[in-house]
Amino acid sequence: SQQGEEDPQALSIQEGENATMNCSYKTSINNLQWYRQNSGRGLVHLILIRSNEREKHSGRLRVTLDTSKKSSSLLITASRAADTASYFCGSTGGSNYKLTFGKGTLLTVNP
Amino acid sequence: SQTIHQWPATLVQPVGSPLSLECTVEGTSNPNLYWYRQAAGRGLQLLFYSVGIGQISSEVPQNLSASRPQDRQFILSSKKLLLSDSGFYLCAWSGTAAYEQYFGPGTRLTVT
Repeated sequence: SQQGEEDPQALSIQEGENATMNCSYKTSINNLQWYRQNSGRGLVHLILIRSNEREKHSGRLRVTLDTSKKSSSLLITASRAADTASYFCGSTGGSNYKLTFGKGTLLTVNP
Repeated sequence: SQTIHQWPATLVQPVGSPLSLECTVEGTSNPNLYWYRQAAGRGLQLLFYSVGIGQISSEVPQNLSASRPQDRQFILSSKKLLLSDSGFYLCAWSGTAAYEQYFGPGTRLTVT
């Protein structure tokens, strides 16, 4: 399967610092997506990066993709307390739109 | 704009009882629909997905089933719940030719 695995499992930082989360996957992908989940809520789509892209930005988010290493990273700059959440990567491959998720990184931003 | 609804928000059911969780999508046609389960502190496990009315693909053999009686309605069912069915159930949709998925608020199921 093309399961994503996030690293670290948990990350605690101070407000204003940058947060970096990593994701690895096993097989070739069409794209890789990052989602955020606040406690007890549904997931919210953050950003999608296609397999032929290397970097993508959206506001304070920066995503990189290294297909040779089968890995991606999510950087949140100038973090805020409101960024406290779990972050998941999910990948799709082949001819379907199914997402395979990792177990997520729990980010805590301390005020 | 598109919205996705799930109900109920929370549910406590005894072992052996039936289950029916409902998910509806508004503002789009012919969406792909998905049911996920999330155990405490764990990632999401895809249970079922559907690309059209009556078309259901099962990802994991289990005590659950899914149905899609209407284009924008997706139902998760069980005839007899097990303790291991406890978890947070999430419904999601995506466009027919799009990869991004949009999730509902979830149903927290506790089987006692």
